[in-house]
Formats: sequence, C-alpha cells, structure tokens
Amino acid sequence: DVKVTQSSRYLVKRTGEKVFLECVQDMDHENMFWYRQDPGLGLRLIYFSYDVKMKEKGDIPEGYSVSREKKERFSLILESASTNQTSMYLCASSFFSPLHFGNGTRLTVT
Amino acid sequence: DQQVKQNSPSLSVQEGRISILNCDYTNSMFDYFLWYKKYPAEGPTFLISISSIKDKNEDGRFTVFLNKSAKHLSLHIVPSQPGDSAVYFCAASVYNQGGKLIFGQGTELSVKP
Repeated sequence: DVKVTQSSRYLVKRTGEKVFLECVQDMDHENMFWYRQDPGLGLRLIYFSYDVKMKEKGDIPEGYSVSREKKERFSLILESASTNQTSMYLCASSFFSPLHFGNGTRLTVT
Repeated sequence: DQQVKQNSPSLSVQEGRISILNCDYTNSMFDYFLWYKKYPAEGPTFLISISSIKDKNEDGRFTVFLNKSAKHLSLHIVPSQPGDSAVYFCAASVYNQGGKLIFGQGTELSVKP
C-alpha cells in the first residue's frame, strides 16, 4: 500500500516567514505533486515533478518554490509567507495514475 | 478558467437511495477521469476512474458514466450509506501526462440515516 507522509499536520507561521512543507513517499514513484485545497475552489496544482531535480509549474506557482533532491522527497517552500497562503496543502505521488495523497498540512499564516 | 466544474456544492440523500454527483469539463483533450473521496482531516482517496474509450465503469456500489459529447460525467452511488458522507472531487487528465490531475471544486455528500 502506498504511503505518502507529510511531516506536519498543522502549522502556524507568521507573515514573512520562510516555510518548508515536507513530503515523503515510500513507493519509488517518479511523479510527485503539491496541491492546495480551499473551500469552493477544490484542489489546485502548485508544482509537480517527474524526476529528481526536475520541477514544473502548476496552475498557481506564484509565491512558492519546490525542491526534489531525492526521488522519495518533495518539498514545498513558501519564500515569504502571506495570509492568502493560509490553506490545506496536499502532497501526492504516482507512478502513472491515480495519484496517492498524504493526509495534508493545514497551514495558518497570521 | 475552471476546466473541471462541479456545480453542486452539496447534496443530501436518504440512506438506501441513489446519490448522483455531477461533473462537467471544458477541455476536449481530457481522456481520463477520476473520482476521489475526502473525509475531513484526511487526504483524498481514489474511488473510481474511467477512460474516454468507455462510457461506463462499475465498482461495487459505485458507477461512473461518461458522456463525451456533452463533456459530462457522473458518479452514482447505490445504495447510499451514512459512511459515504464526504466531499467528492471529480478530476480529469490527459492520459500521457504522468498523472497530473485537474480537479473540480468538490461536492459535499451527506447521507442521512
């Protein structure tokens, strides 16, 4: 069974802080994704990666960056957190389809 | 530009009856469609999928129907159970794009005993 682990369930950060969200998968999947979920907007793709050291912008990359130094780990970085980045962040991995999601990180920026 | 739309934010159904969740899409390049179920404080879990070469796919109580000409798909749950109460997301992809999914806004299903 695929396991996607997000390091924190809840985070509270201050405006302007640099924030790291970590995600690890245990199935040797090539593909990894970061989404955010907001009420009424569904899940929106921030960044994704098809291989180590490779990244592609999703639909809403502004204010975010990512890092994939190892195949199993995909990090989302908020360079300078803002209140409009308060959201549920979901990491996912896949070999092809479907995506397997972690349990999410609820981030609050105050 | 919302390429995948779920126009009903919520749906309430009596236990034992049929639940029908709807989804529309605009991008004719989409050729693979999925439904995910999400409970609060958990990640979405895959439920059922359908490729564009089919118009129906069944898995137990869950059936997905695809109408390509109308760019519309629906998820039928029969019979509905209280444990089905969750948010359901429709998603679409182009099959050879490595799993990248575009999601709808979600429909919250409430199944009442």
